[in-house]
Amino acid sequence: AQTVTQSQPEMSVQEAETVTLSCTYDTSESDYYLFWYKQPPSRQMILVIRQEAYKQQNATENRFSVNFQKAAKSFSLKISDSQLGDAAMYFCAYRPNNAGNMLTFGGGTRLMVKP
Amino acid sequence: DTEVTQTPKHLVMGMTNKKSLKCEQHMGHRAMYWYKQKAKKPPELMFVYSYEKLSINESVPSRFSPECPNSSLLNLHLHALQPEDSALYLCASSQPDRLQETQYFGPGTRLLVL
Repeated sequence: AQTVTQSQPEMSVQEAETVTLSCTYDTSESDYYLFWYKQPPSRQMILVIRQEAYKQQNATENRFSVNFQKAAKSFSLKISDSQLGDAAMYFCAYRPNNAGNMLTFGGGTRLMVKP
Repeated sequence: DTEVTQTPKHLVMGMTNKKSLKCEQHMGHRAMYWYKQKAKKPPELMFVYSYEKLSINESVPSRFSPECPNSSLLNLHLHALQPEDSALYLCASSQPDRLQETQYFGPGTRLLVL
């Protein structure tokens, strides 16, 4: 069975600084997708960034980028120039290419941004 | 447009009530999901509908009954719930035919069972 682990229950970062959220996963599959979702307090869960396992290049979306290390089964999220609006729960998620539609979520990391 | 809408936003019900949660998407997605999320925890999958047919039922108690009237709508019928069923109920949708299938979530219904 696949598992996703986020080892940091809480993180904090100073506004305008950079923070990295960790995610590791366990799988025997070679073809899969990885996601980071953001869920602000009492607000909607939204997709931050997505990575295909067959792509070596790390995905980037504006201030958000990932460090995907396939051999190490690591998928960390880097947030640059942190903003107050980045404060949220961040969930890492995994989906194998042949598993229908099922996502496996990590336990989440609560990110606090200090002004 | 990646919008999934859910109604109501909040719901309080007694253990003998019958209520329904509604979810709607107009992205042409053919897979829809119900998740249950407790505070500070990740979402837990409850049901998956693919092409309007129930494809996954994660051993959810029968007091939760899903329904997919058409490709845009997903309902969750609630009956005789327990206080431990209080949670945020999230709906999501995706297009299962696309290689880069991504689930898009609605804002959720916050349910309190008294």
